[in-house]
Amino acid sequence: KQEVTQIPAALSVPEGENLVLNCSFTDSAIYNLQWFRQDPGKGLTSLLLIQSSQREQTSGRLNASLDKSSGRSTLYIAASQPGDSATYLCAVYGGATNKLIFGTGTLLAVQP
Amino acid sequence: GAVVSQHPSRVICKSGTSVKIECRSLDFQATTMFWYRQFPKQSLMLMATSNEGSKATYEQGVEKDKFLINHASLTLSTLTVTSAHPEDSSFYICSARDGSSATYEQYFGPGTRLTVT
Repeated sequence: KQEVTQIPAALSVPEGENLVLNCSFTDSAIYNLQWFRQDPGKGLTSLLLIQSSQREQTSGRLNASLDKSSGRSTLYIAASQPGDSATYLCAVYGGATNKLIFGTGTLLAVQP
Repeated sequence: GAVVSQHPSRVICKSGTSVKIECRSLDFQATTMFWYRQFPKQSLMLMATSNEGSKATYEQGVEKDKFLINHASLTLSTLTVTSAHPEDSSFYICSARDGSSATYEQYFGPGTRLTVT
């Protein structure tokens, strides 16, 4: 059974700092991995999707890496801003189960 | 880009009544749609997977007679919470997968906040 864990559960940083969010998964037979952002009381905003054959994806100040063999992904946020404050979720899709399995989430607070 | 809408965004209903939530893919055909439930400060829990024209597949522990799912067209799926009770109060989110896409990416709706009084 696929399990997805995110560390840390919560993170508070001053504005301008670079930061890394971690995601680990137990079954490396995944098809892709997605990072999402969720603001309080809102739905999910997709940030990046990495296919299993890819090592990383970049979008603006965000960079996500994937090491499928070790079951790990990181989301790097450069020059953090207060507007980045949100909960960040990673999710893995395994073809055999046809399901997107979500991690436990990291609550990020960027202090102005 | 791919857009998924949900209606209503918020609903309050009395205990014992039923409420229907709609999920629409606006600019693509969704062969598969998913329904999730999210409790406060927790992650998303998959409730069921529905394929257009087929019966939904429910996750273990989800009552199919209480959470009725219909996926009658390639752009619309509905979730009906029957005989709602206060413990059904939650945030319900749907997602849809583009049948023509090779990436298996899911696109998420904005969610529906259900409060049962």
